[in-house]
Amino acid sequence: RKEVEQDPGPFNVPEGATVAFNCTYSNSASQSFFWYRQDCRKEPKLLMSVYSSGNEDGRFTAQLNRASQYISLLIRDSKLSDSATYLCVVLFYNQGGKLIFGQGTELSVKP
Amino acid sequence: NAGVMQNPRHLVRRRGQEARLRCSPMKGHSHVYWYRQLPEEGLKFMVYLQKENIIDESGMPKERFSAEFPKEGPSILRIQQVVRGDSAAYFCASSPGYNEQFFGPGTRLTVL
Repeated sequence: RKEVEQDPGPFNVPEGATVAFNCTYSNSASQSFFWYRQDCRKEPKLLMSVYSSGNEDGRFTAQLNRASQYISLLIRDSKLSDSATYLCVVLFYNQGGKLIFGQGTELSVKP
Repeated sequence: NAGVMQNPRHLVRRRGQEARLRCSPMKGHSHVYWYRQLPEEGLKFMVYLQKENIIDESGMPKERFSAEFPKEGPSILRIQQVVRGDSAAYFCASSPGYNEQFFGPGTRLTVL
Protein backbone atom coordinates (compact mmCIF):
# COMPACT_ATOMS: atom_id res chain seq x y z
CA ARG A 1 0.00 0.00 0.00
CA LYS A 2 1.34 3.46 -0.89
CA GLU A 3 2.05 5.79 2.01
CA VAL A 4 -0.02 8.58 0.41
CA GLU A 5 -2.82 7.82 -2.01
CA GLN A 6 -4.86 10.25 -4.04
CA ASP A 7 -7.91 10.18 -6.25
CA PRO A 8 -7.00 9.04 -9.72
CA GLY A 9 -7.39 11.80 -12.30
CA PRO A 10 -7.83 13.56 -14.51
CA PHE A 11 -10.66 15.81 -13.40
CA ASN A 12 -12.16 17.79 -16.27
CA VAL A 13 -14.49 20.53 -15.05
CA PRO A 14 -16.05 23.70 -16.49
CA GLU A 15 -15.13 27.13 -15.21
CA GLY A 16 -17.05 27.99 -12.08
CA ALA A 17 -17.41 24.40 -10.93
CA THR A 18 -16.60 23.14 -7.45
CA VAL A 19 -14.17 20.25 -7.34
CA ALA A 20 -12.94 18.13 -4.44
CA PHE A 21 -9.79 16.06 -4.12
CA ASN A 22 -9.29 13.34 -1.56
CA CYS A 23 -6.19 11.82 -0.11
CA THR A 24 -5.45 9.09 2.44
CA TYR A 25 -2.23 8.35 4.27
CA SER A 26 -1.13 5.15 5.90
CA ASN A 27 1.21 6.24 8.69
CA SER A 28 -0.57 7.50 11.76
CA ALA A 29 2.70 9.03 12.98
CA SER A 30 2.46 11.62 10.22
CA GLN A 31 2.65 15.10 11.64
CA SER A 32 2.08 17.76 9.01
CA PHE A 33 0.07 17.89 5.85
CA PHE A 34 0.15 20.07 2.77
CA TRP A 35 -1.32 20.57 -0.65
CA TYR A 36 1.12 21.55 -3.37
CA ARG A 37 0.38 22.26 -7.01
CA GLN A 38 2.61 21.37 -9.90
CA ASP A 39 2.28 22.93 -13.33
CA CYS A 40 3.58 21.02 -16.34
CA ARG A 41 6.07 19.11 -14.15
CA LYS A 42 7.74 22.32 -12.99
CA GLU A 43 8.67 22.71 -9.35
CA PRO A 44 5.91 21.99 -6.81
CA LYS A 45 4.55 25.13 -5.21
CA LEU A 46 3.00 25.18 -1.78
CA LEU A 47 -0.71 25.82 -2.01
CA MET A 48 -1.64 25.50 1.64
CA SER A 49 -0.91 23.68 4.85
CA VAL A 50 -3.70 21.54 6.29
CA TYR A 51 -4.72 21.80 9.93
CA SER A 52 -6.95 19.60 12.05
CA SER A 53 -9.44 22.42 12.46
CA GLY A 54 -9.69 22.88 8.71
CA ASN A 55 -8.51 25.98 6.97
CA GLU A 56 -9.59 28.19 4.13
CA ASP A 57 -7.69 30.45 1.76
CA GLY A 58 -9.97 32.25 -0.64
CA ARG A 59 -11.58 29.68 -2.91
CA PHE A 60 -9.58 26.83 -1.39
CA THR A 61 -10.58 24.83 1.68
CA ALA A 62 -8.52 22.04 3.21
CA GLN A 63 -9.69 19.51 5.77
CA LEU A 64 -7.86 16.92 7.83
CA ASN A 65 -9.39 13.95 9.63
CA ARG A 66 -6.67 12.30 11.70
CA ALA A 67 -8.93 9.48 12.89
CA SER A 68 -9.66 8.42 9.32
CA GLN A 69 -6.21 9.46 8.05
CA TYR A 70 -7.90 11.47 5.34
CA ILE A 71 -7.16 14.85 3.78
CA SER A 72 -9.27 16.82 1.32
CA LEU A 73 -9.02 19.92 -0.82
CA LEU A 74 -12.06 21.78 -2.10
CA ILE A 75 -11.79 24.35 -4.87
CA ARG A 76 -14.79 26.59 -5.40
CA ASP A 77 -15.55 28.68 -8.49
CA SER A 78 -12.79 27.02 -10.56
CA LYS A 79 -10.70 29.25 -12.81
CA LEU A 80 -8.80 28.30 -15.93
CA SER A 81 -5.62 29.10 -14.02
CA ASP A 82 -6.43 26.36 -11.51
CA SER A 83 -5.53 23.75 -14.14
CA ALA A 84 -2.57 21.88 -12.69
CA THR A 85 -1.64 18.71 -10.85
CA TYR A 86 -2.50 18.81 -7.15
CA LEU A 87 -0.19 16.94 -4.84
CA CYS A 88 -1.17 15.66 -1.43
CA VAL A 89 1.92 15.75 0.75
CA VAL A 90 2.67 14.36 4.19
CA LEU A 91 5.61 15.26 6.40
CA PHE A 92 6.99 12.64 8.78
CA TYR A 93 8.89 14.12 11.68
CA ASN A 94 9.99 10.69 12.80
CA GLN A 95 11.60 10.19 9.44
CA GLY A 96 13.71 13.32 9.55
CA GLY A 97 11.22 15.73 8.11
CA LYS A 98 11.07 14.36 4.58
CA LEU A 99 7.99 14.88 2.46
CA ILE A 100 6.04 11.96 1.07
CA PHE A 101 4.12 12.85 -2.06
CA GLY A 102 0.99 11.35 -3.48
CA GLN A 103 0.94 10.63 -7.18
CA GLY A 104 -1.03 13.79 -7.82
CA THR A 105 -4.42 14.48 -9.31
CA GLU A 106 -4.61 16.34 -12.58
CA LEU A 107 -7.21 19.07 -12.87
CA SER A 108 -8.22 20.59 -16.16
CA VAL A 109 -10.63 23.53 -16.05
CA LYS A 110 -12.33 24.22 -19.36
CA PRO A 111 -14.01 27.44 -20.52
CA ASN B 1 14.82 37.18 -0.64
CA ALA B 2 15.78 34.94 -3.52
CA GLY B 3 14.13 31.57 -3.67
CA VAL B 4 15.83 28.21 -3.89
CA MET B 5 18.30 28.23 -6.74
CA GLN B 6 19.35 25.24 -8.77
CA ASN B 7 21.77 24.91 -11.60
CA PRO B 8 22.09 23.87 -14.23
CA ARG B 9 18.44 23.88 -15.27
CA HIS B 10 19.12 21.33 -17.99
CA LEU B 11 21.96 18.87 -18.12
CA VAL B 12 22.77 16.38 -20.85
CA ARG B 13 25.22 13.59 -20.20
CA ARG B 14 26.30 10.47 -22.06
CA ARG B 15 26.18 7.12 -20.33
CA GLY B 16 29.13 6.69 -18.02
CA GLN B 17 29.73 10.39 -17.41
CA GLU B 18 29.27 12.21 -14.13
CA ALA B 19 26.48 14.63 -13.33
CA ARG B 20 26.77 17.35 -10.68
CA LEU B 21 23.65 19.19 -9.63
CA ARG B 22 23.84 22.25 -7.40
CA CYS B 23 21.34 23.76 -5.01
CA SER B 24 21.49 26.97 -3.01
CA PRO B 25 18.79 27.11 -0.34
CA MET B 26 16.77 30.16 0.55
CA LYS B 27 18.52 32.61 2.84
CA GLY B 28 18.15 31.51 6.42
CA HIS B 29 17.26 27.92 5.57
CA SER B 30 19.59 25.28 6.95
CA HIS B 31 17.69 22.17 5.83
CA VAL B 32 18.10 20.91 2.28
CA TYR B 33 16.21 18.05 0.66
CA TRP B 34 16.64 16.42 -2.73
CA TYR B 35 13.77 14.77 -4.58
CA ARG B 36 13.63 12.98 -7.92
CA GLN B 37 10.74 12.83 -10.35
CA LEU B 38 11.03 10.17 -13.00
CA PRO B 39 9.00 10.56 -16.20
CA GLU B 40 5.31 9.90 -15.57
CA GLU B 41 5.90 9.36 -11.84
CA GLY B 42 5.51 11.28 -8.61
CA LEU B 43 8.23 12.96 -6.58
CA LYS B 44 10.36 10.68 -4.42
CA PHE B 45 12.54 11.71 -1.52
CA MET B 46 16.25 11.05 -1.94
CA VAL B 47 18.26 12.72 0.82
CA TYR B 48 18.04 15.26 3.62
CA LEU B 49 21.04 17.32 4.66
CA GLN B 50 21.98 20.03 7.08
CA LYS B 51 25.26 21.92 6.94
CA GLU B 52 28.09 19.36 6.75
CA ASN B 53 25.77 16.52 7.77
CA ILE B 54 23.69 13.93 5.97
CA ILE B 55 20.63 13.40 8.16
CA ASP B 56 18.68 10.89 6.10
CA GLU B 57 19.77 9.25 2.86
CA SER B 58 17.23 6.45 2.87
CA GLY B 59 15.94 7.41 -0.58
CA MET B 60 19.30 7.47 -2.30
CA PRO B 61 20.34 4.58 -4.52
CA LYS B 62 23.14 2.73 -2.78
CA GLU B 63 25.60 3.09 -5.62
CA ARG B 64 26.73 5.95 -7.82
CA PHE B 65 24.75 8.65 -5.95
CA SER B 66 26.15 10.95 -3.29
CA ALA B 67 25.21 14.27 -1.75
CA GLU B 68 26.88 16.92 0.33
CA PHE B 69 26.10 20.27 1.87
CA PRO B 70 29.41 21.88 2.81
CA LYS B 71 29.90 24.64 5.33
CA GLU B 72 30.36 27.10 2.49
CA GLY B 73 28.67 26.89 -0.88
CA PRO B 74 25.72 25.04 -2.35
CA SER B 75 24.52 21.53 -1.78
CA ILE B 76 25.73 19.12 -4.45
CA LEU B 77 24.02 15.98 -5.72
CA ARG B 78 26.52 13.89 -7.60
CA ILE B 79 25.71 10.98 -9.89
CA GLN B 80 28.63 8.95 -11.14
CA GLN B 81 28.58 6.78 -14.26
CA VAL B 82 25.11 7.89 -15.27
CA VAL B 83 22.73 5.46 -16.96
CA ARG B 84 19.62 6.15 -19.02
CA GLY B 85 17.42 5.34 -16.03
CA ASP B 86 18.87 8.37 -14.20
CA SER B 87 17.09 10.69 -16.65
CA ALA B 88 14.66 12.64 -14.49
CA ALA B 89 13.90 15.99 -12.93
CA TYR B 90 15.85 16.54 -9.72
CA PHE B 91 14.32 19.05 -7.33
CA CYS B 92 15.94 20.59 -4.33
CA ALA B 93 13.88 22.00 -1.47
CA SER B 94 14.86 24.00 1.57
CA SER B 95 13.27 24.68 4.90
CA PRO B 96 14.12 26.65 8.04
CA GLY B 97 13.10 23.64 10.15
CA TYR B 98 10.63 20.79 10.20
CA ASN B 99 7.93 22.55 8.28
CA GLU B 100 6.97 23.70 4.82
CA GLN B 101 9.57 23.11 2.17
CA PHE B 102 10.13 25.42 -0.77
CA PHE B 103 11.31 24.03 -4.04
CA GLY B 104 13.82 25.17 -6.60
CA PRO B 105 13.10 25.08 -10.35
CA GLY B 106 14.77 21.70 -10.72
CA THR B 107 17.48 20.27 -12.92
CA ARG B 108 16.34 18.16 -15.82
CA LEU B 109 18.92 15.49 -16.47
CA THR B 110 18.93 13.70 -19.80
CA VAL B 111 21.24 10.74 -20.28
CA LEU B 112 21.93 9.85 -23.88
